[in-house]
Amino acid sequence: DSGVTQTPKHLITATGQRVTLRCSPRSGDLSVYWYQQSLDQGLQFLIHYYNGEERAKGNILERFSAQQFPDLHSELNLSSLELGDSALYFCASSVGLRESPLHFGNGTRLTVT
Amino acid sequence: AQKVTQAQTEISVVEKEDVTLDCVYETRDTTYYLFWYKQPPSGELVFLIRRNSFDEQNEISGRYSWNFQKSTSSFNFTITASQVVDSAVYFCALQILTGGGNKLTFGTGTQLKVEL
Repeated sequence: DSGVTQTPKHLITATGQRVTLRCSPRSGDLSVYWYQQSLDQGLQFLIHYYNGEERAKGNILERFSAQQFPDLHSELNLSSLELGDSALYFCASSVGLRESPLHFGNGTRLTVT
Repeated sequence: AQKVTQAQTEISVVEKEDVTLDCVYETRDTTYYLFWYKQPPSGELVFLIRRNSFDEQNEISGRYSWNFQKSTSSFNFTITASQVVDSAVYFCALQILTGGGNKLTFGTGTQLKVEL
């Protein structure tokens, strides 16, 4: 168990809808990251937050947004969902800004029908 | 730009065989970290090892060993005496330390199947 908690584990929704994925980092970790794993794109970095501030952005669509709250948990919001958004979404956390390993949660499997 | 190549898409071995998973990376940065993660059929990503660019010592942990060669930009992973429980997808990843944030660039993964 990595200590990173993601909810829900599975999510099935329809095109055009909006969903929120939640992540609680390991105790003491200030950084939270979101990654998307799909069959065609592999594991892609979406966004990195450190202590509430956005620090790096990757291949994140404009329809997607994230935030990290004062208690350090994070939410990834996906809106106007398309079939191609179906994927496994991972949250990871680390102690510091850069020089510490990332520990991943079990992921949220999103299916858009 | 950073890139990680795992040329082996799928490897099948018989239990107790040794197997090496290849990883080749590209970066212009001199300071970076390399990682291996395991993704079993259940789907989670399990951290296995992190190695920084200044430490070329090989590492052994039980049946796992890692060979880091900066000269060939490779960070290969060997499982000795493989077991069925080793069946998983293994990802190599690169982390650079420049810039304000942090991201891992992953390879496409190698599916390892260990059969009885």
